[in-house]
Amino acid sequence: AQSVTQLDSQVPVFEEAPVELRCNYSSSVSVYLFWYVQYPNQGLQLLLKYLSGSTLVKGINGFEAEFNKSQTSFHLRKPSVHISDTAEYFCAVSTYTGRRALTFGSGTRLQVQP
Amino acid sequence: EPEVTQTPSHQVTQMGQEVILRCVPISNHLYFYWYRQILGQKVEFLVSFYNNEISEKSEIFDDQFSVERPDGSNFTLKIRSTKLEDSAMYFCASSERGQGANVLTFGAGSRLTVL
Repeated sequence: AQSVTQLDSQVPVFEEAPVELRCNYSSSVSVYLFWYVQYPNQGLQLLLKYLSGSTLVKGINGFEAEFNKSQTSFHLRKPSVHISDTAEYFCAVSTYTGRRALTFGSGTRLQVQP
Repeated sequence: EPEVTQTPSHQVTQMGQEVILRCVPISNHLYFYWYRQILGQKVEFLVSFYNNEISEKSEIFDDQFSVERPDGSNFTLKIRSTKLEDSAMYFCASSERGQGANVLTFGAGSRLTVL
């Protein structure tokens, strides 16, 4: 079975500063990795995904993430955040064999301050 | 852009009542899912559905829950006799075939409040 760990439950950051949200996963088989964003009182929106190919993936709103197989990590980064990036960010994993459904981490609340 | 539509957006019910949450997945998608998120907690998998049958379910998805695709467009989640702890946001999702099967598109959610 796979699992996802998001060590930081909250990350406060000032506007225009860089940010990294950490995600580590555990799985006995190859994985697909995702970041979803949830704005207040809204649903889950796909931010970016890693299915295969380049380990550096770019998503919407200027976010990017890097798949590191040796460290079993998929950290999310943005070089300069905006107030509008304030939201809950969820890392998720699925596998091609075994459980296809997504397993989510516990989420990281990004709080961007002026 | 195609989207997953969920109704109702919010439902309040009394404990013990039956509830049906409805979802219209993206039209060419083949895999359908229900997830739930209790307030302040992580998003949890309930069930996945493919080819008119349940393909996978979690331990949360007990006999009180059922899913159905009654026609070519709707996908429903029924809770037979609601409990207080069923209060949560319920998300429907769908995905297409092949490698795209792992890329889920979520609806905006249905908030269920059990009193």
